[in-house]
Amino acid sequence: DGGITQSPKYLFRKEGQNVTLSCEQNLNHDAMYWYRQDPGQGLRLIYYSQIVNDFQKGDIAEGYSVSREKKESFPLTVTSAQKNPTAFYLCATSSIVGGENTEAFFGQGTRLTVV
Amino acid sequence: EDKVVQSPLSLVVHEGDTVTLNCSYEVTNFRSLLWYKQEKKAPTFLFMLTSSGIEKKSGRLSSILDKKELSSILNITATQTGDSAIYLCAVEEVYDYKLSFGAGTTVTVRA
Repeated sequence: DGGITQSPKYLFRKEGQNVTLSCEQNLNHDAMYWYRQDPGQGLRLIYYSQIVNDFQKGDIAEGYSVSREKKESFPLTVTSAQKNPTAFYLCATSSIVGGENTEAFFGQGTRLTVV
Repeated sequence: EDKVVQSPLSLVVHEGDTVTLNCSYEVTNFRSLLWYKQEKKAPTFLFMLTSSGIEKKSGRLSSILDKKELSSILNITATQTGDSAIYLCAVEEVYDYKLSFGAGTTVTVRA
């Protein structure tokens, strides 16, 4: 069935480790986004990509990295440089039609906890 | 400085009450304002507003944009416990496909 699949749903990371969060979509959407959600702070944009092999930093990109080698996939790596990675991570996609963006659709999220 | 500010941050109402949520924004090249409902995990899309003064409705929910006041309201009438959620407002700018979100308003509807 169609949609956005984020995995894993829960992830535990030790201090100093890099971890990668997966986001896969079969909606044929052009744009993909990674957001971080902390209590009381809404969603903050980490990285986004409008086309394959291209991506831009969002508002809080430090300590994160991404790649967009395929249209369907936009993995997010949380590096050891990210000082406070414990959060809920949401992946979203949208379609660009006639130069305009449609509404964004979200995956079910990954909850990352540093132990 | 925050581009998108939502108020109130939280509220508690009883079933049957009407709720009005506010979203104000400050962006250079406004394209659209979007409302989402987040119950547990994935936010779900409610409305996209691009034109001022045109109300969008879906059942008991409605929303309107005021470009002069740089704001939008989301109304929920005859609230039900299933309306309990975080309501998120986001703004998109022209030539920039990213969404800037507000902090959200947590609505709790008591039976």
